[in-house]
This record gives sequence, C-alpha cells and structure tokens, in this order.
Amino acid sequence: KAGVTQTPRYLIKTRGQQVTLSCSPISGHRSVSWYQQTPGQGLQFLFEYFSETQRNKGNFPGRFSGRQFSNSRSEMNVSTLELGDSALYLCASSALTPWNEQFFGPGTRLTVL
Amino acid sequence: AQSVAQPEDQVNVAEGNPLTVKCTYSVSGNPYLFWYVQYPNRGLQFLLKYITGDNLVKGSYGFEAEFNKSQTSFHLKKPSALVSDSALYFCAVRDSPSGGYNKLIFGAGTRLAVHP
Repeated sequence: KAGVTQTPRYLIKTRGQQVTLSCSPISGHRSVSWYQQTPGQGLQFLFEYFSETQRNKGNFPGRFSGRQFSNSRSEMNVSTLELGDSALYLCASSALTPWNEQFFGPGTRLTVL
Repeated sequence: AQSVAQPEDQVNVAEGNPLTVKCTYSVSGNPYLFWYVQYPNRGLQFLLKYITGDNLVKGSYGFEAEFNKSQTSFHLKKPSALVSDSALYFCAVRDSPSGGYNKLIFGAGTRLAVHP
C-alpha cells in the first residue's frame, strides 16, 4: 500500500502571499489530520477532516483553513503568510477507530521570506 | 486537558547499550499512547502504541514501551541501541473523545544520539 503523500515537498513564499498544500491519504483511510511542526512550538494540531467535514480544529488563526474531497484527499491553505508560518506541515491519515495510529506523510517544508 | 511531557531534550547512549526515552502523561480517562520517530527531513514514523492490555508493548525495529498507570509513564526502551536509532522521538497521547479521535497531543521530543 502506498503511504501518505504530500505535495509539494518544499515551498518558498513571501509575506502576504497565500499557499495551498496537498495531501493524499493511504487508500481506504478517510480521516486526515494536519499538524504544524516548528522548533519553538513543536508539533501542533491544525485540524482534522473526515468525510469532507472538519471534525476538529486546533488553536490557529482563521488564516489557516482546509478542506477534504470526496476521494479523501485534503488540502490546507494559509492566506496572508507571515514569517512565523515557516514550518514543516505534516499530514496524517488513519482508519476511523480511536485506537488506530496515524500514518504521517513526509511533510511540506514552507519557508516564508 | 491532556498533556505529555518528555523530560529529556537529549539522551546519549553507546551502541550496544540499552536505551530509555522517558514520557509521562496526564489524561482524563483511559490513555491511548503512541511513540513516533522522526529522521532528518522526514515525517513521523509510527513505532508502537498502548491502548489496553499488557503493560509491555512491543513495536517496530526492536523497540518496546512500558506503560505504568500508577506513575503515569510510558517509557520507550530498546535492549541494544544501534547508531541508526539516532533520531528525534516523540511521545503522544490521543486527545479526549470530545476533542476528536485523531487529534494527537505531542511531547516536545527527545533527541536520541547513539555513539559508536
């Protein structure tokens, strides 16, 4: 089975721009979660999607948004980029039971200049 | 609120020696606990999990973890460390059901350095 894929792997943007990151989950996984990883804040939960619905959202400003498509692929969008948005953005997919582990993609490294 | 603490920023161990990476947790209700490893410029790889049952959980690459309810700990262990085990290790707990099944709360991470 193919793993979680994320595109692009690296991205450089300037302040004020917007960016869209894409995630394809493992086949059959309907839950997709997004995390932000920074040296200062560590790993922080952004949001989770299941069946095209956002089920949970972390403590991030409204500039961070996401969506999920009918094939379970997910995108996240960050508008009006700030320098502090520079981070590794990780996508994870899982089956829908509470004891199932999440499988992570390689991440998208976003640099905001 | 659920939380996880990894008290050591870095653990150094000689190759061939046993290793322990510490994790303590605070949850309401039954804990669902996980260990992940991250290699440079990579995503997180799942190592093992504790849901219920035996307190000693065996996982990938020879790792195991011991769940201790009275001490609220879930330490990661390996009997004999390899240089290739050098990486960043994260302990995580699933948030409460009201927080969503797939929201993980991560510790700050522990960097493991295995020296030849």
